[in-house]
Amino acid sequence: EDQVTQSPEALRLQEGESSSLNCSYTVSGLRGLFWYRQDPGKGPEFLFTLYSAGEEKEKERLKATLTKKESFLHITAPKPEDSATYLCAVQPSSGGYQKVTFGTGTKLQVIP
Amino acid sequence: NAGVMQNPRHLVRRRGQEARLRCSPMKGHSHVYWYRQLPEEGLKFMVYLQKENIIDESGMPKERFSAEFPKEGPSILRIQQVVRGDSAAYFCASSTSTDTQYFGPGTRLTVL
Repeated sequence: EDQVTQSPEALRLQEGESSSLNCSYTVSGLRGLFWYRQDPGKGPEFLFTLYSAGEEKEKERLKATLTKKESFLHITAPKPEDSATYLCAVQPSSGGYQKVTFGTGTKLQVIP
Repeated sequence: NAGVMQNPRHLVRRRGQEARLRCSPMKGHSHVYWYRQLPEEGLKFMVYLQKENIIDESGMPKERFSAEFPKEGPSILRIQQVVRGDSAAYFCASSTSTDTQYFGPGTRLTVL
């Protein structure tokens, strides 16, 4: 069974203090790894899709990287508006449709 | 391009009543997914539908829950004879293929 483990569960940063969120996964062949941001009371907002080890994608202060066993979401000089829960999800590649499995998220709080 | 739309945003039902949750996918998207999220928990897959077809309902409880995506109109998640344990946030997502999913704002169901 596909598994996604995110760490830490919660992270508190000072504004400007860079850090990384981890997503470890077990899947029988990876079709795609997804990062989402979720604010309280709202739906997940898509951030990135990564397809193969070594791939990197950036958006403003966020950078996502992928290896064969894990993905990191690096946050550079975070601002209070980056506070949210960040969700990681994987989709296996075993032919045709395969359902996406989500981790439980990392709750990030950025303090001014 | 309007995003995924869900209604109602909040729904209150008494035990034993029926709940109907609606989801209109993004324009051009023909794949719809339903997820359930309990407080402090991850997103749990329920069902995947294409127009007039249920592709994967492996995450859906066998009783009281049903889903449809008719040729015309929104996708509907129906919960019959609701119980307190059904209280949760229900999210719909859509995609153009079996790739990146985009989420709606969710319906928060409260069962009294």
